Amino acid sequence: QVQLQESGPGLVKPSQTLSLTCTVSGGSISSGTYYWSWIRQHPGKGLEWIGYIYYSGSTFYNPSLQSRLTISVDMSKNQFSLNLSSVTAADTAVYYCARIALVGGYFGPWGQGTLVTVSS
Amino acid sequence: EIVLTQSPGTLSLSPGERATLSCGTSQSVYRNFLAWYQQKPGLAPRLLIYGVSTRATGIPDRFIGSGSGTDFTLTISRLEPEDFAVYYCQHYGTSPRVTFGQGTRLEIK
Repeated sequence: QVQLQESGPGLVKPSQTLSLTCTVSGGSISSGTYYWSWIRQHPGKGLEWIGYIYYSGSTFYNPSLQSRLTISVDMSKNQFSLNLSSVTAADTAVYYCARIALVGGYFGPWGQGTLVTVSS
Repeated sequence: EIVLTQSPGTLSLSPGERATLSCGTSQSVYRNFLAWYQQKPGLAPRLLIYGVSTRATGIPDRFIGSGSGTDFTLTISRLEPEDFAVYYCQHYGTSPRVTFGQGTRLEIK
């Protein structure tokens, strides 16, 4: 079965770029029936969709984050990545990667999540 | 822009009781692309229901999704101790592509 795992620094300084990678195992990221997505959850709060990418490289971003956001895919490594620039303390959150069904638009499976803290 | 409003914010019930969680949308749902998730503390959300009423693999039949248009419901027919968690509804549409409700906390009474 498909599994996703986030990796990356747990601490990022303000104004720097937050970079995370999601490694997909048990299935190919080039499957045409899924998108690959990032979602975050601020401490004690609800879920916020960040964006997603198709294996072809097409991306769809949350308009509120679009100006700072880049999501990319590396099919050779079966990974996709998140870069969020100019971070502030408001970007402190648990970041999840997840697969999203092309038809139906539902998320599953999810990675376990990784806490990223923005602090000097 | 579609907005999802979940109610109540917190629901206090006892094991064995029936839970009814609501998700209202500000406009009609696109192609019935409405899903429900369960999240327990420290864990990632888990898909329960997609397409308004289809249970995900391995989800017990006490979880029932229903609704149409702008009003949707997740019913848990008989609460088990492991069902106490936070529940989110989620819509996939055109703009924005993905929207989550703010969540309903289901707590033990």
